[in-house]
Amino acid sequence: KAGVTQTPRYLIKTRGQQVTLSCSPISGHRSVSWYQQTPGQGLQFLFEYFSETQRNKGNFPGRFSGRQFSNSRSEMNVSTLELGDSALYLCASSPGTENYGYTFGSGTRLTVV
Amino acid sequence: AQSVTQPDIHITVSEGASLELRCNYSYGATPYLFWYVQSPGQGLQLLLKYFSGDTLVQGIKGFEAEFKRSQSSFNLRKPSVHWSDAAEYFCAVGYTGNQFYFGTGTSLTVIP
Repeated sequence: KAGVTQTPRYLIKTRGQQVTLSCSPISGHRSVSWYQQTPGQGLQFLFEYFSETQRNKGNFPGRFSGRQFSNSRSEMNVSTLELGDSALYLCASSPGTENYGYTFGSGTRLTVV
Repeated sequence: AQSVTQPDIHITVSEGASLELRCNYSYGATPYLFWYVQSPGQGLQLLLKYFSGDTLVQGIKGFEAEFKRSQSSFNLRKPSVHWSDAAEYFCAVGYTGNQFYFGTGTSLTVIP
């Protein structure tokens, strides 16, 4: 079955702009989580959605937001981009009812210039 | 606060040698434990996981890990490393509600 699909794979944006990243989970998975990965900070949890509701949230500013649709697809939005937002953004899905572990997508590489 | 520690930032081993990557966690109860591997420019792939039961778990690609409650550790091992195992390895701890904490990763270099 298809894995977790993230689009786009690469993105270049200018400071102050906003960006939307998309994630399609594995069919049947109801939980989608987002992580930011940078060389300095490692993997940091952004938020998790389950059945269209945000269930957990990491320690990121309000510029980072997300949502989940009824088909479990999820989007992440970052407004007023800063240079420090340059990172690999990883989406992961799981069935959601138990902690079975994530299946990760290949990520979206965001570069802010 | 919960935390995951991978004390080795970088490890170099010869091809065919054995490998052990260390992971320690801090939590009051037994969490869910995972090891992931990441190749350059890619997402993370699940190698193995521990929920309960037998403390020695087998994963993909010939990897195994042992949960030691007394040491709060979940070390990853492989008896004979292949050049294709060169990658970044992450230990992760999960709790209820699907919230995960990742270690900072261990970069593995394999020399011929």
